[in-house]
Amino acid sequence: EDQVTQSPEALRLQEGESSSLNCSYTVSGLRGLFWYRQDPGKGPEFLFTLYSAGEEKEKERLKATLTKKESFLHITAPKPEDSATYLCAVPAGNQFYFGTGTSLTVIP
Amino acid sequence: GAGVSQTPSNKVTEKGKYVELRCDPISGHTALYWYRQSLGQGPEFLIYFQGTGAADDSGLPNDRFFAVRPEGSVSTLKIQRTERGDSAVYLCASSLEPGYNEQFFGPGTRLTVL
Repeated sequence: EDQVTQSPEALRLQEGESSSLNCSYTVSGLRGLFWYRQDPGKGPEFLFTLYSAGEEKEKERLKATLTKKESFLHITAPKPEDSATYLCAVPAGNQFYFGTGTSLTVIP
Repeated sequence: GAGVSQTPSNKVTEKGKYVELRCDPISGHTALYWYRQSLGQGPEFLIYFQGTGAADDSGLPNDRFFAVRPEGSVSTLKIQRTERGDSAVYLCASSLEPGYNEQFFGPGTRLTVL
């Protein structure tokens, strides 16, 4: 049973071309949805936590939103340094379930 | 300040050997997690420590895997009789308190079993 599904698997954008990444989840009784960024050869780096539907958080060119079934990570006017894999995760019990990630490439 | 550190960064071993992977969490963090990440996949939960005790080890794939955190700080993941399928990046993460909080990840140990 999949807890977290991310789409698309990969995304190529031109610098400045805005887009959104999707994270859908099936866990009931959401205790938070977490977004991380992972660069090649490194561990994930925390970006945001969202706890309730309607909540939004922003950091530089990134904005995360949450509904009852999914979360979006909006990237506005991306730069090449935004290239990375973006992971979302939801906790269930003591465990955190991660999606497979979206690999973002921003082309100069 | 210092983040989560993991040693070694790379480990190559032969099938059937025993390996130990070490994690030094951020000082004062009481919760510690181990994950395994295969290429193209997200981190997969293995075990969670709250203080010195393993609060949830349901993610360990079989009894060849074991982890300890004897003093509530450093943790060691131990794998006996390694198999080629154990090859992956093993990630450690810590958080200040137990519960649904942000986790700080180490850089991982890349394990290759020949």
